[in-house]
Amino acid sequence: QKEVEQNSGPLSVPEGAIASLNCTYSDRVSQSFFWYRQYSGKSPELIMSIYSNGDKEDGRFTAQLNKASQYVSLLIRDSQPSDSATYLCAFGSGNTGKLIFGQGTTLQVKP
Amino acid sequence: DGGITQSPKYLFRKEGQNVTLSCEQNLNHDAMYWYRQDPGQGLRLIYYSQIVNDFQKGDIAEGYSVSREKKESFPLTVTSAQKNPTAFYLCASSLDSYNEQFFGPGTRLTVL
Repeated sequence: QKEVEQNSGPLSVPEGAIASLNCTYSDRVSQSFFWYRQYSGKSPELIMSIYSNGDKEDGRFTAQLNKASQYVSLLIRDSQPSDSATYLCAFGSGNTGKLIFGQGTTLQVKP
Repeated sequence: DGGITQSPKYLFRKEGQNVTLSCEQNLNHDAMYWYRQDPGQGLRLIYYSQIVNDFQKGDIAEGYSVSREKKESFPLTVTSAQKNPTAFYLCASSLDSYNEQFFGPGTRLTVL
């Protein structure tokens, strides 16, 4: 079983729609979860951190964490063409001091 | 202006050469990391350091070496033992090992 599972996509949504990105993880003791956005040819940029069960909202972005089911999701409301990128989820690996990254989901927002 | 800098942005290496990639941060972060990213792939951890003068191997350390003599600097050497070094190299730092990581702009290494 992979440590982190993400659908590689591409996920295609029309402009203005809600994009839903999902990630499942295997480490039951992880306490920290992150979403990064990576534009083609650029480095990853942190967009959301979440540490407790439930929803966390920041502008058009909402991260959802369910530790019992071991999944974390990212919702992007009112999707814009500028949101077209690869989205990486990551979680803190127990007490190793490392982050474990998923392979990323490519999002395409079509005008 | 706080941040992480990497240099050079592009690097070309002949086979058999060692090259060193620079990573500097002025965020006063304790932990620093090196990742490798191949086209269409995720991030793979090469080395990481949680404190000055200490570092640990990541998942793909063979053919690479690092040093951490100063808190703000974590250079990566790609040695001739690395069989396929052409990739995008990313340096990251975090306040400590359990916090979010912030990435530098990356160095794109090509072997000629």
